[in-house]
Amino acid sequence: DAKTTQPNSMESNEEEPVHLPCNHSTISGTDYIHWYRQLPSQGPEYVIHGLTSNVNNRMASLAIAEDRKSSTLILHRATLRDAAVYYCILRDVAGAGSYQLTFGKGTKLSVIP
Amino acid sequence: EPEVTQTPSHQVTQMGQEVILRCVPISNHLYFYWYRQILGQKVEFLVSFYNNEISEKSEIFDDQFSVERPDGSNFTLKIRSTKLEDSAMYFCASSPDRGSGTEAFFGQGTRLTVV
Repeated sequence: DAKTTQPNSMESNEEEPVHLPCNHSTISGTDYIHWYRQLPSQGPEYVIHGLTSNVNNRMASLAIAEDRKSSTLILHRATLRDAAVYYCILRDVAGAGSYQLTFGKGTKLSVIP
Repeated sequence: EPEVTQTPSHQVTQMGQEVILRCVPISNHLYFYWYRQILGQKVEFLVSFYNNEISEKSEIFDDQFSVERPDGSNFTLKIRSTKLEDSAMYFCASSPDRGSGTEAFFGQGTRLTVV
């Protein structure tokens, strides 16, 4: 899987929007951009994924740059429960035939009450 | 909402003993995975399983490890002779298919402590 770069940590005030960036300059045309998060002492949890177009779901929005070399996960109103490590992962199962998710260090999001 | 369940939540074992970690994937899912996370480190892929055989495994998944789907609902990870360095959180995951747009669903994990 292609490599992603994320800030080690970010802070947000509760009820404010949060923009979590991810750079993936070596992304290939068939890589999907996935975001997972891991709350303290829990397993990873799927958040959202996309290929080219921006995506929205009940948890978050994913904004993908036109050249696809970067993306931003947007939490519209951070809550204390959103404090977690957020992982940006590229996945090209069709190309490399790999089933696995390759987790990096992610971004640790702290939410301040 | 369907979820992946793992038992036990915490297992303590003596070095050299065999352990079996159990998982019940989501019922209509076809692909199953084990990951581990040593305290303070990244989540690491161990193995994927489809159609009753291993699809892919990492370098970590050596001869001490094995996986099995003994019936239609359980998926197990066995470590034959545990070492201190096997102490970690072990996460089971499942997905309905393997497409690159498919999400994986993770369990809450089993904390394995080898003493």
